[in-house]
Amino acid sequence: EPEVTQTPSHQVTQMGQEVILRCVPISNHLYFYWYRQILGQKVEFLVSFYNNEISEKSEIFDDQFSVERPDGSNFTLKIRSTKLEDSAMYFCASKADRSYEQYFGPGTRLTVT
Amino acid sequence: AQSVTQLDSQVPVFEEAPVELRCNYSSSVSVYLFWYVQYPNQGLQLLLKYLSGSTLVKGINGFEAEFNKSQTSFHLRKPSVHISDTAEYFCAVSVGRGDTGRRALTFGSGTRLQVQP
Repeated sequence: EPEVTQTPSHQVTQMGQEVILRCVPISNHLYFYWYRQILGQKVEFLVSFYNNEISEKSEIFDDQFSVERPDGSNFTLKIRSTKLEDSAMYFCASKADRSYEQYFGPGTRLTVT
Repeated sequence: AQSVTQLDSQVPVFEEAPVELRCNYSSSVSVYLFWYVQYPNQGLQLLLKYLSGSTLVKGINGFEAEFNKSQTSFHLRKPSVHISDTAEYFCAVSVGRGDTGRRALTFGSGTRLQVQP
């Protein structure tokens, strides 16, 4: 069964460093999402991406964040200068056209020290 | 904006007992409702969804949920749980109208179901 994959599973970085989280969505899906879950808190929406542009973003998704679909298969989330409060589990999701179901990856745990 | 409340952070239950996980939502517009399950070290998996029609929806692994518009609830139930049902369960909503499911999901804080032998 097709699935969303994410790499790395765990990323440790120092405050101020740039990180790139990678996702491979399901191949025929057209909508892509990033969510995050700070330990002990809710899963929160960050951004959605369709037709090579951002279609929706939350207040969390400020100028420090960017997304890209560089090669037609990967979907990346970049954090330019990480802060301690960026430590969280980051989930990628994808969705087919005319569907309501988002398929989630296993997540990347980002630890900022 | 919509919001989701899961009042129970943990629900311990014995194997083969029934269980209900509660979910209430608020929204000024119609919504689509979802339950996701997260097993340890795995991503979120869709259990079931309500889009329209019958208010009782059945999902995978014997789970079902009932949409109650007057009470703005979407409680998840299972008549007999197994040890393997131990996981985190998340209720989520998205705006019902507009682009087909383009809208982001708003999640509740999750309920940890602990099935004991």
